[in-house]
Amino acid sequence: GAGVSQSPSNKVTEKGKDVELRCDPISGHTALYWYRQRLGQGLEFLIYFQGNSAPDKSGLPSDRFSAERTGESVSTLTIQRTQQEDSAVYLCASSLGGVVWNQPQHFGDGTRLSIL
Amino acid sequence: EDQVTQSPEALRLQEGESSSLNCSYTVSGLRGLFWYRQDPGKGPEFLFTLYSAGEEKEKERLKATLTKKESFLHITAPKPEDSATYLCAVQGRSNYQLIWGAGTKLIIKP
Repeated sequence: GAGVSQSPSNKVTEKGKDVELRCDPISGHTALYWYRQRLGQGLEFLIYFQGNSAPDKSGLPSDRFSAERTGESVSTLTIQRTQQEDSAVYLCASSLGGVVWNQPQHFGDGTRLSIL
Repeated sequence: EDQVTQSPEALRLQEGESSSLNCSYTVSGLRGLFWYRQDPGKGPEFLFTLYSAGEEKEKERLKATLTKKESFLHITAPKPEDSATYLCAVQGRSNYQLIWGAGTKLIIKP
């Protein structure tokens, strides 16, 4: 497909378990972003990748959160020892990035994470 | 501090009743203002980018305008399928980070 793909679409897990969320950006997009959206709220920036490097991790809520990107393509967001407050929709977006710095971000449909 | 405020929080209109959504912003060095539409259970869908005051963009029943302090999303003769949450975001000096508003939930009743 031509759009941003995220998997799984839904994830239910028990408190204390680790989860891994995946994002496949649009082909050719060098910039990739992770956001968190709690129910009825706006988008909360988590992390930004330019290529495989993450120059800004300032939005990660705690050291339980980490992300990586390989091959300037797929990215994974990992949450360790999940807590109930981690329940949210996790959105991934990609854009052309690089020197093209004011191009729109294009979003996937997110992973809805529920912590029991 | 860079900030984006959207109003109203929610807007209910009858089908065919035109109106406007507001996005007020304070940002150092505006590089772009973006409008998105978000349907329940979906990710935001890109609508428009505006780069400088005075610029306007149109798409079907939607028209976005930009001044130095705010942007309006005008909806002309809306239909029920225009119901969604509309999000505004601005890019300032950062090369990548957007400042997001909380959105306006638009409901169009048939």
